[in-house]
Amino acid sequence: GENVEQHPSTLSVQEGDSAVIKCTYSDSASNYFPWYKQELGKRPQLIIDIRSNVGEKKDQRIAVTLNKTAKHFSLHITETQPEDSAVYFCAAIPSGAGSYQLTFGKGTKLSVIP
Amino acid sequence: NAGVTQTPKFRILKIGQSMTLQCTQDMNHNYMYWYRQDPGMGLKLIYYSVGAGITDKGEVPNGYNVSRSTTEDFPLRLELAAPSQTSVYFCASSYTTGNNSPLHFGNGTRLTVT
Repeated sequence: GENVEQHPSTLSVQEGDSAVIKCTYSDSASNYFPWYKQELGKRPQLIIDIRSNVGEKKDQRIAVTLNKTAKHFSLHITETQPEDSAVYFCAAIPSGAGSYQLTFGKGTKLSVIP
Repeated sequence: NAGVTQTPKFRILKIGQSMTLQCTQDMNHNYMYWYRQDPGMGLKLIYYSVGAGITDKGEVPNGYNVSRSTTEDFPLRLELAAPSQTSVYFCASSYTTGNNSPLHFGNGTRLTVT
């Protein structure tokens, strides 16, 4: 099955700096890579996703890049703000019939210091 | 729409007791999932369902059972609670498969088994 490794487990940045979280996956058949944000005590919520036919996707201050050859993808947050403080999870899922199991990384706790 | 609703929010069980975690969604999603979240371990899939009357095991199904008699409801049953089942449980739903539409999570149930 799929295995997703996420680094770092914790990350502290100054407000206004950039943050980068990296994930690697094992199943070359994986073709969908979402990122979820979970604020303290709340539910995970999708913030951005990317498919294997795209190398990069941006949404305001958030971007995700994908390197299929190396089997890794990264979340980039620019101009960080205190409200970006949360746990971020990457995930991967393979294509094809029966692809129901989204495999999550262990999460990165991001702290933005004002 | 209320989205995905989970009850209860908190529960303390004694070892060997049984309980059902309730989950209902009003988005007419066919796909529903149960995840558990342990500190530093990300989200692990317990069971999932692709439609009423159809359920299947995820990564960590032991000690749990599910049923899906209607599109809206997907309860999770713990028959003989064990300390290892202390966790936060999230129910989720999606319009189509996890590689084509985002997961919508409920607010979670925090379960402690002592």
